[in-house]
Amino acid sequence: EVLLMESGGGLVQPGGSLRLSCAASGFTFSRDAMSWVRQAPGKGLEWVSAISISGDATYYTDSVKGRFTISRDNFKNTLYLQMNSLRAEDTAVYYCAREPGTSAFDMWGQGTKVTVSS
Amino acid sequence: DIVMTQTPLSSPVTLGQPASISCRSSQSLVHSNGNTYLSWLHQRPGQPPRLLIYKTSDRLSGVPDRFSGSGAGTDFTLKISRVEAEDVGVYYCMQATQFPLTFGGGTKVEIK
Repeated sequence: EVLLMESGGGLVQPGGSLRLSCAASGFTFSRDAMSWVRQAPGKGLEWVSAISISGDATYYTDSVKGRFTISRDNFKNTLYLQMNSLRAEDTAVYYCAREPGTSAFDMWGQGTKVTVSS
Repeated sequence: DIVMTQTPLSSPVTLGQPASISCRSSQSLVHSNGNTYLSWLHQRPGQPPRLLIYKTSDRLSGVPDRFSGSGAGTDFTLKISRVEAEDVGVYYCMQATQFPLTFGGGTKVEIK
């Protein structure tokens, strides 16, 4: 079964850090670009960050540049998002998504919830 | 950044009747390679999004053929030929022609 499973979410104080993980199974992880997409409570979808197949190219939305770092381990079939200096506006469900060369996200995880609050 | 604008915000539809959602981009989505990277996703409450259409009109394997995508340049449409109960939820368009990737605000489809 093809699966993406996020973990690492939780409650964190403003200014704190979290590291999200996305474990991939059922497909060749090292052949696909990956992204993180988030959804604030009751809101729409917002793309956060993307990483190339090899990991040598990364992209970020402006609001997280300098605070978030995307990375991947193709041996562990895992995608990561290191989130530092968290703000209340980072509160959201964070999804990892696969982009298999079609420039569209054909597979999504169930999401992990991040709450930034004091 | 490319701004994606969807209309309508909400679409009450009768079962078995067609539905149409429009998505307009603030600039052309034609990539330098000639492809147009506009996709459509569907999200049910409490669920992650699910891809329906990619590259404007290519239907993902397993997606019912009542869903179709069309358009070019800056104007795109998702059509559902005959709405079924399972089609309720929010539909999003997304552009991947240029970073940052951007989504439309969503269109909520509900049954009358």
